[in-house]
This record gives sequence, structure tokens and C-alpha cells, in this order.
Amino acid sequence: AQKVTQAQTEISVVEKEDVTLDCVYETRDTTYYLFWYKQPPSGELVFLIRRNSFDEQNEISGRYSWNFQKSTSSFNFTITASQVVDSAVYFCALSFNTGTASKLTFGTGTRLQVTL
Amino acid sequence: GAGVSQTPSNKVTEKGKYVELRCDPISGHTALYWYRQSLGQGPEFLIYFQGTGAADDSGLPNDRFFAVRPEGSVSTLKIQRTERGDSAVYLCASSLTAFGTEAFFGQGTRLTVV
Repeated sequence: AQKVTQAQTEISVVEKEDVTLDCVYETRDTTYYLFWYKQPPSGELVFLIRRNSFDEQNEISGRYSWNFQKSTSSFNFTITASQVVDSAVYFCALSFNTGTASKLTFGTGTRLQVTL
Repeated sequence: GAGVSQTPSNKVTEKGKYVELRCDPISGHTALYWYRQSLGQGPEFLIYFQGTGAADDSGLPNDRFFAVRPEGSVSTLKIQRTERGDSAVYLCASSLTAFGTEAFFGQGTRLTVV
């Protein structure tokens, strides 16, 4: 079975603090993709990053960075020098191919609140 | 269009009524997905279309739910005999191809059954 666990329900930080959002996944597939999406109050899910199971290189994009470790089945997301605009719900998701479909399995999300 | 468009943005209906939710995907995207998001939860898969055909409808909760994509572009999610438990945000997403490519989501339709 495919499963994504985001143990942190809600995190509150003060602006300029660094924050890490945890994601742990379960899958029996050897080929899969991991994603992070941001859901601001407007409701639309915004794509942030995709990582395939064969690429364990960490990635940095501006203030965002991602740490993928297959040994611990984790794909954690760090925001450096957080800003109020980062306030949103962040979802980690796992994509696997059933042979007939490509489905995303989402975690329950982590609500990030950044205050001044 | 530039993004995935869903209409209506909000729908309030009485228990037992029939509703249709529309999704207009990004032009050229062959894969289209419907998800349902309940309050405080992540989106849950309902159905996936590749072109005109439903490649996987295993997430549809029961036979009151049905979706079509007759011309391989716009899709309609249909719910018969709505129940209060159907209240949720229904999200549509599209992607250029199927496996591994990022899915782009619409803003969703918030369905409230009273």
C-alpha cells in the first residue's frame, strides 16, 4: 500500500526563522515520484517540486530546499528565512503507476503559520 | 486557458439533488484527475482519465458518482442523490502525460449539501 505521513499538523514560526516540514512515505514500488504542493488560503494547490525515486540529490530553489533520503523513506522540505507569505498548508505526495493510472497519494498536510 | 478552470467555484444544493461539476484542463494535457478534499485532509483520488477514457475510477466512493470526458478535454463530475457526506472541495488536475509529470490543480469547487 502507498502511504504518506506528515506528522506535523501545524507549525508556527516567527518571520526569518528556518522551518523544516517532515514527510515520510511508504511504497513497495521501486519507481515512484515525490512531490510537494503548497495550498494557500485561496485553495489552489501550487506545485513546488518533483523528485523521482532514482534521484537522491538534494535540491535548492531560492529559500526552499528539499532533502530526499531513501534509506529513511523521507522527503523533507526546509524553508530558510521564512516570510509571512509562506503561510499555507503544505502537502507531500507520492505518485505511483498502477499500470493503468498515475495516482497521487497525499499526506494530511502541515499548516505553516508565519508571524511578524 | 492558462490554468485549470473549475466551475462553479461554490455550489450549495439540497440533499437528494443532482449536481454537475465542470473542469476545463490546460490545453494539450491528456491526463485529467478528480480529487476530493475534506476539511483538514489531503486530497483523495477519485478518478483518472487518459484522453476520453476513464483509466481508473477506483476512487469513486459509490455508484452515485460518475464522470465523463467525451472529447478528451473538458470533464464533468456528476453526483446523483447528493448526501450531506458529499460536502467537500472537489479538485480537478491535469498533466501533460501520466506517470511522473506534475499535475496542475484548479481552485476547486466547494460543494455543500444541506
